[in-house]
Amino acid sequence: QSALTQPASVSGSPGQSITISCTGTSSDVGGYNYVSWYQQHPGKAPKLMIYDVSNRPSGVSNRFSGSKSGNTASLTISGLQAEDEADYYCSSYTSSSTLEVFGGGTKLTVL
Amino acid sequence: EVQLVQSGAEVKKPGESLKISCKGSGYSFTSYWIGWVRQMPGKGLEWMGIIYPGDSDTRYSPSFQGQVTISADKSISTAYLQWSSLKASDTAMYYCVRRACSGGSCRSKGFDPWGQGTLVTVSS
Repeated sequence: QSALTQPASVSGSPGQSITISCTGTSSDVGGYNYVSWYQQHPGKAPKLMIYDVSNRPSGVSNRFSGSKSGNTASLTISGLQAEDEADYYCSSYTSSSTLEVFGGGTKLTVL
Repeated sequence: EVQLVQSGAEVKKPGESLKISCKGSGYSFTSYWIGWVRQMPGKGLEWMGIIYPGDSDTRYSPSFQGQVTISADKSISTAYLQWSSLKASDTAMYYCVRRACSGGSCRSKGFDPWGQGTLVTVSS
């Protein structure tokens, strides 16, 4: 089971928007609307930011949004703030017996 | 409040066995899948496997099949991750996670909450 593919790093200036991609296959990202995104600050446990492709849990800023096209899901953060600097991971339900697969993670730097 | 509370940090020698725990509270433990995620030092999240405490249905990532055992004790709302013979390469932070929708057929809503993590250090 291969991990989902994410860019190793992205960067943006305060106020700008950035997008992080997450590419899988038709057995995971492309086959189901069950993609989630997690934010992890250094030394902290990850936090759910987006579920089921584009839904935000209660309390998550509406600056975070998700979408999907084919086998690629995307996380967009608008109005970048310094506190958004963190690692971001995607995950997806998969039809394989393992039931879930994660991306390799993307480090977001706010310049 | 829905919570997952993990057992404390462990320091072990290669070849030793270990069982770490994850206690759920604030919800029906048997109705939600509980997964385990590894994070090696300075690295990304790796999916290890998942268990449905309601019927003990357990699935493993191919990378971890045969290397660890995932189990759950419904009577005390606790999930476990265990090793029979640790290696130095098992040194990592381990997180337990709850799938945010209920039921054995649940696939969606991501994982929330996450436990605080258990740091396992394996060194001679």
